[in-house]
Amino acid sequence: QVQLQESGPGLVKPSQTLSLTCSVSGGSISSGGYYWSWIRQPAGKGLEWIGLLYSSGSTNYNPSLKSRLTIAMDTSKNHLSLNLTSVTAADTAVYYCARRIAAAGSGMDVWGQGTTVTVSS
Amino acid sequence: DIQMTQSPSTLSASVGDRVTITCRASQSISSWLAWYQQKPGKAPKLLIYKASNLQSGVPSRFSGGGSGTEFTLTISSLQPDDFATYHCQQYKGFPYTFGQGTKLEIK
Repeated sequence: QVQLQESGPGLVKPSQTLSLTCSVSGGSISSGGYYWSWIRQPAGKGLEWIGLLYSSGSTNYNPSLKSRLTIAMDTSKNHLSLNLTSVTAADTAVYYCARRIAAAGSGMDVWGQGTTVTVSS
Repeated sequence: DIQMTQSPSTLSASVGDRVTITCRASQSISSWLAWYQQKPGKAPKLLIYKASNLQSGVPSRFSGGGSGTEFTLTISSLQPDDFATYHCQQYKGFPYTFGQGTKLEIK
């Protein structure tokens, strides 16, 4: 059974780069047929889709974040990463990674537990 | 972007009630809609995909319907474990977008 676990610094200073990792266990991140997403949720607010990594390594980003965002995979470590540059307080949120099976039109069926990121000096 | 609007934002109900949450898309998304349940401090959990398909392991009291721009999530008989926040999400086009959420509270 695939499990996801996010990790990263809980606190990032404004204007710096936020770097998060999503470790995948129980399956290979490069196996075909999966999409890997990052989603975030500010405290008390709704969910915002950040971007997606195909198992081929190509990506699709939310235009609202595209200029600051890089999502990539490291097949040797079986994880995906998120880098968000020039962060502000508006980037404070719980960050989740999630898997979507491409076939049969599935939704995001496996989620990590989330990691809290606070942007503050 | 495709805007997703849920109603109501908050719903008060009792155990055993039948409840329906609505999600409207700003343009047609065919059946590319998912519903998630989220409890405080936890990640969302997939309930329904492709508008009406029940995710494996999800109780049959949950059902989804609709297509195009209007969708529903129905819980046929509320159980204590169902009090949570529910989110709809479209995956017809990028960027994927979510509704603002519906909080289901105990009356």
